[in-house]
Amino acid sequence: EPEVTQTPSHQVTQMGQEVILRCVPISNHLYFYWYRQILGQKVEFLVSFYNNEISEKSEIFDDQFSVERPDGSNFTLKIRSTKLEDSAMYFCASEIGNTEAFFGQGTRLTVV
Amino acid sequence: GEDVEQSLFLSVREGDSSVINCTYTDSSSTYLYWYKQEPGAGLQLLTYIFSNMDMKQDQRLTVLLNKKDKHLSLRIADTQTGDSAIYFCAEYREAAGNKLTFGGGTRVLVKP
Repeated sequence: EPEVTQTPSHQVTQMGQEVILRCVPISNHLYFYWYRQILGQKVEFLVSFYNNEISEKSEIFDDQFSVERPDGSNFTLKIRSTKLEDSAMYFCASEIGNTEAFFGQGTRLTVV
Repeated sequence: GEDVEQSLFLSVREGDSSVINCTYTDSSSTYLYWYKQEPGAGLQLLTYIFSNMDMKQDQRLTVLLNKKDKHLSLRIADTQTGDSAIYFCAEYREAAGNKLTFGGGTRVLVKP
């Protein structure tokens, strides 16, 4: 069964460093998303991406965040200068356009 | 506004039925979802219901939607130990862009 894959599963980084979280969405899907879940809190929407551009972003998704689909298969989330409060589980999701979003296993980001 | 609320915890005996409840505030929600998250894993789509439906059944899962009260429930028949997980309800509103708004999750513990 096709699935969304995310790498790495766990990333530890120092405050102020840049991180790139990687996702391979399901191959025929057209819409791509990043969500995050701070420990003990709700899953929060960060950004949606369609047709090679951001279609919507939340207040969390400030100038420190960027997304890219560099090669037609990967979908990346970059955080330029990480802060302690960026520590969270980051989920990538994709959908073909029928509103059934499939999520990856998540990347746990720990900023120290 | 957008707010999705769930109770935090549910304990149930193996073989009994579980009922997980969710309330939402936005009547323009078009789809409502149930996701399952097992420890250390991602979000697995269990089922969803379109807002013009009252009920949807899928094997052991029954989703009930009371649109007047903005109340969604997930019933799991013959609950098994493998059903122990966190269950998230989420709403999708086309007017809010292509994103899901999640509840805080209900931790279900199935006792043998």
